[in-house]
Amino acid sequence: EAQVTQNPRYLITVTGKKLTVTCSQNMNHEYMSWYRQDPGLGLRQIYYSMNVEVTDKGDVPEGYKVSRKEKRNFPLILESPSPNQTSLYFCASSLLGQEYEQYFGPGTRLTVT
Amino acid sequence: LAKTTQPISMDSYEGQEVNITCSHNNIATNDYITWYQQFPSQGPRFIIQGYKTKVTNEVASLFIPADRKSSTLSLPRVSLSDTAVYYCLVGDPNDYKLSFGAGTTVTVRA
Repeated sequence: EAQVTQNPRYLITVTGKKLTVTCSQNMNHEYMSWYRQDPGLGLRQIYYSMNVEVTDKGDVPEGYKVSRKEKRNFPLILESPSPNQTSLYFCASSLLGQEYEQYFGPGTRLTVT
Repeated sequence: LAKTTQPISMDSYEGQEVNITCSHNNIATNDYITWYQQFPSQGPRFIIQGYKTKVTNEVASLFIPADRKSSTLSLPRVSLSDTAVYYCLVGDPNDYKLSFGAGTTVTVRA
């Protein structure tokens, strides 16, 4: 089954404790992206990647890091999480040139206390 | 990225047709119009995309007038399971950055 998977689905952590949210897709998509969703703000893009070793900032990249060492994986790293990063995070992927037709993962709900 | 404006919420009843209009006055020549659907506790799902006139698929229809400054997503004969947030996106298909906005919350009642 074609899908985007994220782990963990739920995470509660404390301020300053580094964490990684993994994202993997099995559709051989070149393009992958991370979003955060907050009430009243819709989805905002954090980072995106057009292929292995090619990443770029979205609208809200501060406090986040990403890496793309393999085509199928695009982990989101929070080196020192803060409470304002409490949010619902989505990973998505698409074929290059079809970025407006993205496939989204199930989401990761992160709480930073 | 073209700025879009859509209603915050809409209510409907089962069996009715729901039309959601999105305004995008500064749409550019290369821009396409794309709609996504998001159910509670799920990621968004691509519904439909168009450039001009009318596009129809098994889920919805998209109507785009000649000036392309607005578009209307039409959901025929909605059911309770169509309750979701619907997002209108406008931009160049080759633009790597997407902007979703707050979307329109559609609530379908029995």
